[in-house]
Amino acid sequence: SAVISQKPSRDICQRGTSLTIQCQVDSQVTMMFWYRQQPGQSLTLIATANQGSEATYESGFVIDKFPISRPNLTFSTLTVSNMSPEDSSIYLCSVALTGGINYGYTFGSGTRLTVV
Amino acid sequence: AQRVTQPEKLLSVFKGAPVELKCNYSYSGSPELFWYVQYSRQRLQLLLRHISRESIKGFTADLNKGETSFHLKKPFAQEEDSAMYYCALDGSGNTGKLIFGQGTTLQVKP
Repeated sequence: SAVISQKPSRDICQRGTSLTIQCQVDSQVTMMFWYRQQPGQSLTLIATANQGSEATYESGFVIDKFPISRPNLTFSTLTVSNMSPEDSSIYLCSVALTGGINYGYTFGSGTRLTVV
Repeated sequence: AQRVTQPEKLLSVFKGAPVELKCNYSYSGSPELFWYVQYSRQRLQLLLRHISRESIKGFTADLNKGETSFHLKKPFAQEEDSAMYYCALDGSGNTGKLIFGQGTTLQVKP
């Protein structure tokens, strides 16, 4: 199954700045997914990143706030822009497990972001 | 609306006792359901998928469409089972949009 490397693992950022999170997969995947887990909450899908097209954002998430890049089939970045303390969360990337979508998804180790 | 409900935030049992982690879902089509587990200081990992009808680490989960449930069970809990467990629904026709429940912390006491 695919192995995901995500970095940074954690960061403390000043409000108003931006942070780019990287996700590297050890095999080519069609779709990559970005999730957010706010403190004490469950995971919520932010967007789906497809190579060669714009990311598809879920309700409540916009490209200006969370721009995503997908330059190739093994890499994606999520930027959290103009950060505020409310953006303090764990951000995770995910890909479908080998065998196709019906077999589930694997996750990166997450980026714990604290905005001060 | 598509929704996953895990009614218990915390489930505490003694070692050797049976465990049932509850999960109910709301979905109009044929659901793809998963259980994920997160051990302390480890990443989220797939435990079970209903389509495979498998048993992993002694855990099983049966999809009950009549009750719209996908409860996770284990007959004899072990201390190493202590973790956070998430039930997840793959909505929107296998597009990768996982809808997660709130999670249940399982605490297995010695």
